[in-house]
Amino acid sequence: ELKVEQNPLFLSMQEGKNYTIYCNYSTTSDRLYWYRQDPGKSLESLFVLLSNGAVKQEGRLMASLDTKARLSTLHITAAVHDLSATYFCAVDITSGTYKYIFGTGTRLKVLA
Amino acid sequence: EPEVTQTPSHQVTQMGQEVILRCVPISNHLYFYWYRQILGQKVEFLVSFYNNEISEKSEIFDDQFSVERPDGSNFTLKIRSTKLEDSAMYFCATGGLRGSPLHFGNGTRLTVT
Repeated sequence: ELKVEQNPLFLSMQEGKNYTIYCNYSTTSDRLYWYRQDPGKSLESLFVLLSNGAVKQEGRLMASLDTKARLSTLHITAAVHDLSATYFCAVDITSGTYKYIFGTGTRLKVLA
Repeated sequence: EPEVTQTPSHQVTQMGQEVILRCVPISNHLYFYWYRQILGQKVEFLVSFYNNEISEKSEIFDDQFSVERPDGSNFTLKIRSTKLEDSAMYFCATGGLRGSPLHFGNGTRLTVT
């Protein structure tokens, strides 16, 4: 059974600080996605990482993928209040079936 | 930008009743999924659907659940006899080619009383 774990589960940080969210998964995959969810809202795609060593950046967020370590990171630089949300990673299983498994989620709160 | 549309946005039903949740996928997407999320927690995979048949289903997707694409456009999730523990937000998601992200609808909040 594929497991996708994120840490931390909760993160409270001051504006202007840097932090990294980690996503570990338990099976072979070279496709990993990051999503953002605001309270009471749907999931919005942030990044698509499709190979070992892939790095994507958008604004204050940067995501990377190490398929050998089965690890993805989402790095936050100089956090601002608008980044407060829950962040999920999701793994697309490398097999003939179609199944995206989501991580446990990291609830980020950026304090002004 | 094309969107995934879900109806209703909120459904209240009594335990034991049947509910049908509806989704209109993005038109050129081929892969359809249902997920559920309880109280803003983990996003749980229920089922994937491709080429008019179920591709994969989770342990949650038992005999009480079914999916179909009745008219080539709508994609539905039916729960035959709802239980209290079925109360959750249900999200429809669709995808294009492998390696593309899922696009999520706004969800249906199901409340079973």
